[in-house]
Amino acid sequence: AQSVTQPDIHITVSEGASLELRCNYSYGATPYLFWYVQSPGQGLQLLLKYFSGDTLVQGIKGFEAEFKRSQSSFNLRKPSVHWSDAAEYFCAVDNNNDMRFGAGTRLTVKP
Amino acid sequence: DAGVIQSPRHEVTEMGQEVTLRCKPISGHDYLFWYRQTMMRGLELLIYFNNNVPIDDSGMPEDRFSAKMPNASFSTLKIQPSEPRDSAVYFCACRTAGNEQFFGPGTRLTVL
Repeated sequence: AQSVTQPDIHITVSEGASLELRCNYSYGATPYLFWYVQSPGQGLQLLLKYFSGDTLVQGIKGFEAEFKRSQSSFNLRKPSVHWSDAAEYFCAVDNNNDMRFGAGTRLTVKP
Repeated sequence: DAGVIQSPRHEVTEMGQEVTLRCKPISGHDYLFWYRQTMMRGLELLIYFNNNVPIDDSGMPEDRFSAKMPNASFSTLKIQPSEPRDSAVYFCACRTAGNEQFFGPGTRLTVL
């Protein structure tokens, strides 16, 4: 069965610092890969997605993610974090509508 | 488009009562999903529909849970009877084939 692992439950970074959130998946083929962000009391908003092609994908709010097949990873990055980026981030894997989410990484941004 | 609409946004009820959660998907999106989010279990897929037909309900926890989609613009998730362990945030999401899912704002359910 496919699964998604986000090894970091909680990350704290200073405003202006760079950010990398890790995501590993377990699946035989290359599924569709997503990163969503959830602010408190809100639904999930798509940051970016990878279906095929260029393994470095750009998303909204200055985020990017790189698909590495050899490592089964799809890490999310941002060069300079803003205080408004504080939220919960979910990596997700979708194979034929069987969508699995990671446990989430909560991001705290220090001033 | 207003996006995915869910109602109510908050529901507080007593154990044993029937609860009905509602979802209006984005027009033209032919897949509809119901999720449950809790601290302990994270986001869980309960059931999804394609063209109003339930395709996979293996995530529905018990017979107390049921979902319907009478038409392309409306779906309900019903819990009868409700129990305190059903307390969670329930999300509805939709998509078109081959694309990402769009999530509603969720319904926060508290069963006392």
